[in-house]
Amino acid sequence: EAGVVQSPRYKIIEKKQPVAFWCNPISGHNTLYWYLQNLGQGPELLIRYENEEAVDDSQLPKDRFSAERLKGVDSTLKIQPAELGDSAVYLCASSLEFGSDAFFGQGTRLTVV
Amino acid sequence: GDSVTQMEGPVTLSEEAFLTINCTYTATGYPSLFWYVQYPGEGLQLLLKATKADDKGSNKGFEATYRKETTSFHLEKGSVQVSDSAVYFCALRDDKIIFGKGTRLHILP
Repeated sequence: EAGVVQSPRYKIIEKKQPVAFWCNPISGHNTLYWYLQNLGQGPELLIRYENEEAVDDSQLPKDRFSAERLKGVDSTLKIQPAELGDSAVYLCASSLEFGSDAFFGQGTRLTVV
Repeated sequence: GDSVTQMEGPVTLSEEAFLTINCTYTATGYPSLFWYVQYPGEGLQLLLKATKADDKGSNKGFEATYRKETTSFHLEKGSVQVSDSAVYFCALRDDKIIFGKGTRLHILP
């Protein structure tokens, strides 16, 4: 069974440009998470979806970040415009339901120059 | 709010040494506790978990016991291998999953 798939693995963009990350969760998993991991830190939750509904987006900087999960399957996370401080690894995870084990993708490493 | 504190790394040990990585937590409720591992170039993987007090999680020779009285979930392994070199994250799940900062482990042959 395929795990959580994220793309791209790496992305380098200039500041003020937009960028998007894509996540395909494990089939049948209703809960999807986006995490931000800064260098030398643990992952921090940006947003959690239950099916297509964002149920916890309290940590998402909504002035520049947006996310969607159409049809309750794949999800995209967008940053517009990107800032130098957004350089980090963006992790996607999914679980069967909230409260069950979460499985992580390999992440997208973003470098803003 | 809820938080997780784990020992800072890097931790460097020789092969076959005993490993302990300390983890303590603060939570208002009764969280589940986890250890995740991140091998070089790979994503986070669930290593073990415990869902209630006094539960012991174990996997691949690693163990951790949920100690409510000391709010701790220390990771231990009796004899480490070079292949255990990775970053280890302690985490709790209450209404959200909260991670510690991670501990990098280097095992020397």
